[in-house]
Amino acid sequence: GNSVTQMEGPVTLSEEAFLTINCTYTATGYPSLFWYVQYPGEGLQLLLKATKADDKGSNKGFEATYRKETTSFHLEKGSVQVSDSAVYFCALKGSNYKLTFGKGTLLTVNP
Amino acid sequence: DSGVTQTPKHLITATGQRVTLRCSPRSGDLSVYWYQQSLDQGLQFLIQYYNGEERAKGNILERFSAQQFPDLHSELNLSSLELGDSALYFCASSVEAGRGTDTQYFGPGTRLTVL
Repeated sequence: GNSVTQMEGPVTLSEEAFLTINCTYTATGYPSLFWYVQYPGEGLQLLLKATKADDKGSNKGFEATYRKETTSFHLEKGSVQVSDSAVYFCALKGSNYKLTFGKGTLLTVNP
Repeated sequence: DSGVTQTPKHLITATGQRVTLRCSPRSGDLSVYWYQQSLDQGLQFLIQYYNGEERAKGNILERFSAQQFPDLHSELNLSSLELGDSALYFCASSVEAGRGTDTQYFGPGTRLTVL
Protein backbone atom coordinates (compact mmCIF):
# COMPACT_ATOMS: atom_id res chain seq x y z
CA GLY A 1 0.00 0.00 0.00
CA ASN A 2 0.90 3.67 -0.03
CA SER A 3 3.17 5.07 2.64
CA VAL A 4 4.93 8.31 3.53
CA THR A 5 8.12 8.63 5.55
CA GLN A 6 9.21 12.01 6.82
CA MET A 7 12.10 12.99 9.01
CA GLU A 8 11.60 12.58 12.72
CA GLY A 9 11.50 15.73 14.72
CA PRO A 10 11.60 17.82 16.59
CA VAL A 11 13.54 20.31 14.51
CA THR A 12 14.73 23.45 16.27
CA LEU A 13 16.11 26.38 14.29
CA SER A 14 17.02 29.99 14.84
CA GLU A 15 15.13 32.69 12.99
CA GLU A 16 16.37 33.23 9.40
CA ALA A 17 17.90 29.73 9.24
CA PHE A 18 17.38 27.44 6.24
CA LEU A 19 14.80 24.70 6.64
CA THR A 20 14.62 21.28 5.03
CA ILE A 21 12.15 18.60 6.07
CA ASN A 22 12.68 15.38 4.17
CA CYS A 23 9.77 13.35 2.82
CA THR A 24 9.86 10.16 0.77
CA TYR A 25 6.96 8.06 -0.38
CA THR A 26 5.96 4.65 -1.66
CA ALA A 27 3.03 4.45 -4.03
CA THR A 28 1.85 2.75 -7.17
CA GLY A 29 1.04 4.86 -10.15
CA TYR A 30 1.29 8.64 -10.08
CA PRO A 31 0.22 10.09 -6.74
CA SER A 32 -0.37 13.74 -5.93
CA LEU A 33 1.80 15.06 -3.11
CA PHE A 34 0.94 17.57 -0.42
CA TRP A 35 2.39 19.41 2.54
CA TYR A 36 -0.02 20.36 5.30
CA VAL A 37 0.78 22.50 8.34
CA GLN A 38 -0.84 22.35 11.77
CA TYR A 39 -0.34 25.37 14.03
CA PRO A 40 -0.75 24.87 17.78
CA GLY A 41 -4.37 24.21 18.69
CA GLU A 42 -5.58 24.41 15.10
CA GLY A 43 -6.59 22.13 12.25
CA LEU A 44 -4.62 21.19 9.18
CA GLN A 45 -3.98 23.80 6.52
CA LEU A 46 -2.85 23.01 3.01
CA LEU A 47 0.58 24.54 2.53
CA LEU A 48 1.41 23.44 -1.00
CA LYS A 49 0.89 20.62 -3.46
CA ALA A 50 2.26 19.07 -6.64
CA THR A 51 0.31 16.77 -8.90
CA LYS A 52 2.91 15.42 -11.32
CA ALA A 53 6.61 14.70 -11.58
CA ASP A 54 8.93 17.74 -11.62
CA ASP A 55 6.14 20.06 -10.48
CA LYS A 56 7.20 22.56 -7.83
CA GLY A 57 4.66 23.59 -5.24
CA SER A 58 5.24 26.88 -3.42
CA ASN A 59 3.49 29.06 -0.87
CA LYS A 60 4.51 31.57 1.82
CA GLY A 61 8.21 31.09 0.97
CA PHE A 62 8.01 27.31 1.26
CA GLU A 63 8.83 25.10 -1.73
CA ALA A 64 8.80 21.41 -2.56
CA THR A 65 9.59 19.64 -5.84
CA TYR A 66 7.99 16.34 -6.86
CA ARG A 67 10.94 14.03 -7.66
CA LYS A 68 9.70 10.78 -9.11
CA GLU A 69 13.18 9.32 -9.61
CA THR A 70 13.93 9.60 -5.89
CA THR A 71 10.27 9.33 -4.75
CA SER A 72 10.74 12.45 -2.67
CA PHE A 73 8.96 15.72 -1.90
CA HIS A 74 11.25 17.59 0.49
CA LEU A 75 9.99 20.83 2.03
CA GLU A 76 12.35 23.82 2.04
CA LYS A 77 12.33 27.43 3.14
CA GLY A 78 15.21 29.81 2.82
CA SER A 79 14.63 31.87 5.96
CA VAL A 80 12.28 30.67 8.68
CA GLN A 81 10.38 32.91 11.07
CA VAL A 82 9.12 32.33 14.60
CA SER A 83 5.60 32.23 13.14
CA ASP A 84 6.54 29.12 11.11
CA SER A 85 6.66 27.07 14.31
CA ALA A 86 4.16 24.26 13.74
CA VAL A 87 3.84 20.60 12.85
CA TYR A 88 4.37 19.81 9.17
CA PHE A 89 2.81 16.78 7.50
CA CYS A 90 3.75 15.29 4.16
CA ALA A 91 0.91 13.41 2.46
CA LEU A 92 0.08 11.64 -0.77
CA LYS A 93 -3.08 10.78 -2.61
CA GLY A 94 -2.96 7.89 -5.02
CA SER A 95 -5.56 6.14 -7.10
CA ASN A 96 -7.83 5.67 -4.10
CA TYR A 97 -9.52 8.57 -2.39
CA LYS A 98 -7.76 8.90 0.91
CA LEU A 99 -4.77 10.94 1.96
CA THR A 100 -1.91 8.97 3.47
CA PHE A 101 0.07 11.07 5.93
CA GLY A 102 3.54 10.93 7.36
CA LYS A 103 3.92 11.08 11.13
CA GLY A 104 4.55 14.82 11.16
CA THR A 105 7.59 16.92 12.01
CA LEU A 106 7.48 19.47 14.81
CA LEU A 107 9.36 22.64 13.91
CA THR A 108 10.29 25.18 16.56
CA VAL A 109 11.86 28.46 15.47
CA ASN A 110 13.58 30.53 18.17
CA PRO A 111 14.06 34.32 17.94
CA ASP B 1 -10.30 29.68 7.57
CA SER B 2 -10.81 26.69 5.27
CA GLY B 3 -14.60 27.05 5.10
CA VAL B 4 -15.12 23.63 6.69
CA THR B 5 -16.89 23.80 10.03
CA GLN B 6 -16.99 21.19 12.77
CA THR B 7 -18.97 21.02 15.97
CA PRO B 8 -18.45 20.66 18.82
CA LYS B 9 -14.88 21.84 19.31
CA HIS B 10 -14.43 19.77 22.44
CA LEU B 11 -16.30 16.76 23.76
CA ILE B 12 -15.75 15.00 27.08
CA THR B 13 -17.64 11.82 27.79
CA ALA B 14 -17.41 8.51 29.61
CA THR B 15 -16.58 5.01 28.45
CA GLY B 16 -19.51 3.15 26.94
CA GLN B 17 -21.25 6.32 25.76
CA ARG B 18 -22.19 7.39 22.26
CA VAL B 19 -21.39 10.75 20.64
CA THR B 20 -22.08 12.48 17.34
CA LEU B 21 -19.62 14.77 15.58
CA ARG B 22 -20.88 17.12 12.93
CA CYS B 23 -19.21 18.56 9.85
CA SER B 24 -20.32 21.10 7.25
CA PRO B 25 -18.23 21.10 4.06
CA ARG B 26 -17.12 24.12 2.08
CA SER B 27 -19.79 25.58 -0.13
CA GLY B 28 -19.88 23.61 -3.37
CA ASP B 29 -17.89 20.63 -2.11
CA LEU B 30 -19.56 17.26 -2.59
CA SER B 31 -17.07 15.01 -0.79
CA VAL B 32 -16.59 14.74 2.95
CA TYR B 33 -13.77 12.78 4.59
CA TRP B 34 -13.24 11.86 8.23
CA TYR B 35 -9.81 11.41 9.81
CA GLN B 36 -8.65 10.49 13.29
CA GLN B 37 -5.48 11.96 14.77
CA SER B 38 -3.99 10.26 17.81
CA LEU B 39 -0.52 10.27 19.34
CA ASP B 40 0.14 6.60 18.66
CA GLN B 41 -1.54 6.18 15.24
CA GLY B 42 -0.95 9.60 13.73
CA LEU B 43 -3.46 10.76 11.11
CA GLN B 44 -5.65 7.93 9.87
CA PHE B 45 -8.33 8.03 7.20
CA LEU B 46 -11.67 6.73 8.43
CA ILE B 47 -14.29 7.13 5.72
CA GLN B 48 -15.39 9.21 2.72
CA TYR B 49 -18.81 10.22 1.44
CA TYR B 50 -19.53 11.69 -1.94
CA ASN B 51 -22.88 13.35 -2.60
CA GLY B 52 -24.61 11.28 0.05
CA GLU B 53 -23.08 7.92 -0.73
CA GLU B 54 -20.22 6.10 0.95
CA ARG B 55 -17.24 6.15 -1.42
CA ALA B 56 -14.28 4.75 0.49
CA LYS B 57 -13.57 3.17 3.83
CA GLY B 58 -10.33 3.19 5.78
CA ASN B 59 -9.43 2.11 9.28
CA ILE B 60 -12.88 2.70 10.72
CA LEU B 61 -14.03 0.55 13.62
CA GLU B 62 -17.38 -1.22 13.49
CA ARG B 63 -18.45 0.85 16.52
CA PHE B 64 -18.13 3.95 14.32
CA SER B 65 -20.48 4.98 11.55
CA ALA B 66 -21.05 8.02 9.42
CA GLN B 67 -23.54 9.47 7.00
CA GLN B 68 -23.89 12.42 4.68
CA PHE B 69 -27.22 14.18 4.47
CA PRO B 70 -28.99 15.76 1.44
CA ASP B 71 -27.67 19.19 2.45
CA LEU B 72 -24.18 17.59 2.31
CA HIS B 73 -23.31 17.97 5.96
CA SER B 74 -21.96 14.83 7.57
CA GLU B 75 -22.09 13.21 10.97
CA LEU B 76 -19.68 10.74 12.51
CA ASN B 77 -21.23 8.55 15.19
CA LEU B 78 -18.98 6.89 17.75
CA SER B 79 -20.54 4.34 20.09
CA SER B 80 -19.48 2.10 22.98
CA LEU B 81 -16.64 4.51 23.51
CA GLU B 82 -13.33 3.31 24.89
CA LEU B 83 -10.42 5.22 26.41
CA GLY B 84 -8.44 4.59 23.23
CA ASP B 85 -10.98 6.51 21.16
CA SER B 86 -9.76 9.75 22.68
CA ALA B 87 -8.35 11.69 19.74
CA LEU B 88 -8.76 14.66 17.47
CA TYR B 89 -11.31 13.98 14.72
CA PHE B 90 -10.98 15.98 11.54
CA CYS B 91 -13.42 16.44 8.74
CA ALA B 92 -12.21 17.48 5.29
CA SER B 93 -14.06 18.32 2.12
CA SER B 94 -13.26 18.49 -1.57
CA VAL B 95 -15.09 19.40 -4.73
CA GLU B 96 -15.05 16.05 -6.46
CA ALA B 97 -15.02 12.36 -5.68
CA GLY B 98 -11.38 12.38 -4.75
CA ARG B 99 -9.34 11.88 -7.87
CA GLY B 100 -5.63 12.49 -7.61
CA THR B 101 -5.51 16.24 -8.16
CA ASP B 102 -8.47 17.05 -5.93
CA THR B 103 -7.45 19.00 -2.81
CA GLN B 104 -8.93 18.27 0.59
CA TYR B 105 -9.57 21.19 2.95
CA PHE B 106 -9.69 20.45 6.65
CA GLY B 107 -11.89 21.72 9.43
CA PRO B 108 -10.55 22.75 12.85
CA GLY B 109 -11.32 19.35 14.38
CA THR B 110 -13.26 18.00 17.35
CA ARG B 111 -11.21 16.92 20.34
CA LEU B 112 -12.83 13.90 21.98
CA THR B 113 -11.81 12.90 25.49
CA VAL B 114 -13.15 9.64 26.87
CA LEU B 115 -12.82 9.31 30.65
